[in-house]
Amino acid sequence: GAVVSQHPSRVICKSGTSVKIECRSLDFQATTMFWYRQFPKQSLMLMATSNEGSKATYEQGVEKDKFLINHASLTLSTLTVTSAHPEDSSFYICSAADSGGAYEQYFGPGTRLTVT
Amino acid sequence: QQQVKQSPQSLIVQKGGISIINCAYENTAFDYFPWYQQFPGKGPALLIAIRPDVSEKKEGRFTISFNKSAKQFSLHIMDSQPGDSATYFCAASKNQAGTALIFGKGTTLSVSS
Repeated sequence: GAVVSQHPSRVICKSGTSVKIECRSLDFQATTMFWYRQFPKQSLMLMATSNEGSKATYEQGVEKDKFLINHASLTLSTLTVTSAHPEDSSFYICSAADSGGAYEQYFGPGTRLTVT
Repeated sequence: QQQVKQSPQSLIVQKGGISIINCAYENTAFDYFPWYQQFPGKGPALLIAIRPDVSEKKEGRFTISFNKSAKQFSLHIMDSQPGDSATYFCAASKNQAGTALIFGKGTTLSVSS
């Protein structure tokens, strides 16, 4: 149980294009999902908190117009990187908190984004 | 007050030895303390977690020790194996739905055979 999937696992895009990353909780409902960014050999940096049916809450310094987050259902959140630039290249990871009462967060396998 | 400080940054342990990773927090409102294991190119996996009503929790070879007064908690890996070689992150949060985890900087563990 408690499986979170991400799609795609890897994506290469050209500078200036947009990329959408999907995060799904497969066997539980997640009122809240989180998006993190991780640079090589560094810790996870929280980008935003996504609540189903409402606007995401972004961390300080994260451009909400560049990183669009949509949490349309209790099992799906999407992150769209708009007008991507090489400095957006990173490992993006989502996590989902089980709405069933426990507060454990389960992480997806991550998406490696490379912007050329 | 939101920081979680983790040490050491890296650790080398012989096969069969005990690996110990320490974390300290400042925010007394934190009351949920998980540990995650991450392999290269993968997402973090929840290993074990503790709440402050207990001082120790054990699951297999993994044990969390928690010292509420010192605001510290640690992960002990008994009988460390080469397969345990990974990066370990401690984290903390308030025990309420929708609260983000605050992560430590991570510890890279290498278990030599």
